[in-house]
Amino acid sequence: ENVLTQTPGTLSLSPGERATLSCRASQRVYMNFLAWFQQKPGQAPRLLIYGASNRAAGIPDRFSGSGSGTDFTLTISRLEPEDFAVYYCQQYGSTPRTFGQGTQLEIK
Amino acid sequence: EVQLVESGGGLVQPGGSVRLSCAPSGFSFSTYWMTWVRQAPGKGLEWVGYINPDGSERVYLDSVKDRFTISRDNAKNTLYLQMNSLRVEDTAVYYCVRGHTVTVHWGQGTLVTVSS
Repeated sequence: ENVLTQTPGTLSLSPGERATLSCRASQRVYMNFLAWFQQKPGQAPRLLIYGASNRAAGIPDRFSGSGSGTDFTLTISRLEPEDFAVYYCQQYGSTPRTFGQGTQLEIK
Repeated sequence: EVQLVESGGGLVQPGGSVRLSCAPSGFSFSTYWMTWVRQAPGKGLEWVGYINPDGSERVYLDSVKDRFTISRDNAKNTLYLQMNSLRVEDTAVYYCVRGHTVTVHWGQGTLVTVSS
């Protein structure tokens, strides 16, 4: 099983600041099949990034993904109030599919 | 518009069974792999398993493999998750998801509570 570890667990920032979230895999992620999701309370997860660096349809360009192999990063260039949420990474290159434990992005 | 609507959740006793359903619309259900993902209250996301378009291939999380069954009825346009021998730790919101790799479309989920 490919275990994903997200850091930090909680990130406290202000609107307008830059957010950098990390996801480290215990094994290389096949074909960099790594996705990022955003989840707000009471809502289903929303796909932001797939294939490590491809934005999903309708996702603002302030969201970007990078990385390869075992180390991946989600960057939000300038935080908007609606960006404060929980973020999960997921690998879909092998089974079982696995998710990171999440990073809570909170308003400072 | 793609929609996925789950149903069938509720309170069930440990050791009991429940069948969840997912009603898709807005796309050709019979041509898509489908996935179930769950989320325990206040916890993270956990992949449960997926099924291929004709139902001949299914892959499961080890901890549910001998207790849960994913199936589908393409004629009725419905996805199922049969859950047997339920445990307290199976308490979660269960999401129906279109696809098994890049997963854009998720349902709103149905809550299954396993408690005596």
